[in-house]
Amino acid sequence: GAVVSQHPSWVICKSGTSVKIECRSLDFQATTMFWYRQFPKQSLMLMATSNEGSKATYEQGVEKDKFLINHASLTLSTLTVTSAHPEDSSFYICSANEGMVTEAFFGQGTRLTVV
Amino acid sequence: GQNIDQPTEMTATEGAIVQINCTYQTSGFNGLFWYQQHAGEAPTFLSYNVLDGLEEKGRFSSFLSRSKGYSYLLLKELQMKDSASYLCAVNGGDYKLSFGAGTTVTVRA
Repeated sequence: GAVVSQHPSWVICKSGTSVKIECRSLDFQATTMFWYRQFPKQSLMLMATSNEGSKATYEQGVEKDKFLINHASLTLSTLTVTSAHPEDSSFYICSANEGMVTEAFFGQGTRLTVV
Repeated sequence: GQNIDQPTEMTATEGAIVQINCTYQTSGFNGLFWYQQHAGEAPTFLSYNVLDGLEEKGRFSSFLSRSKGYSYLLLKELQMKDSASYLCAVNGGDYKLSFGAGTTVTVRA
């Protein structure tokens, strides 16, 4: 199956700083990628849809100025958590679909801890 | 809105069979997925149903009834490594996935 690579796998940052997470489709082009957040013992919640060459679409309740998404190429989407706070500590996961294939391929996830 | 329900926890014995049910009410439907997720890891794909009926893949099978908004994942010949969280997810269109809260399956010796 298609491979989606996410980096970094984990990151610890100080409160008030910004953190960038990368999501790459390694062997296919993805015009659309998705960013999810998962708190402990909870399910994945869709944060936003990342669209190559255009603005991301955010789900209700997700602050677009806090979670900046850039999808500058067909193989890379980035999520930047700006002015991170401890409540932003979570597991962030991206996914992408290859062409018309319905199955979503997930990145490895990024464990963010804000101290 | 999207509403996807599945049990929180299930426990079974090694070698046994476990069935995880999922009911859904979504504004659109373009298929239902089951994913396995081990703690601290990303979900891995198990199965996909878009038409009614049973899909069998080795020890795992998944069933869908669109008219009832119902699916189940059947795990046979349980192994210790099957202890994980199992996520039911519905594609509501545009490839967006809505996930259930997940069912934690514990396999005991």
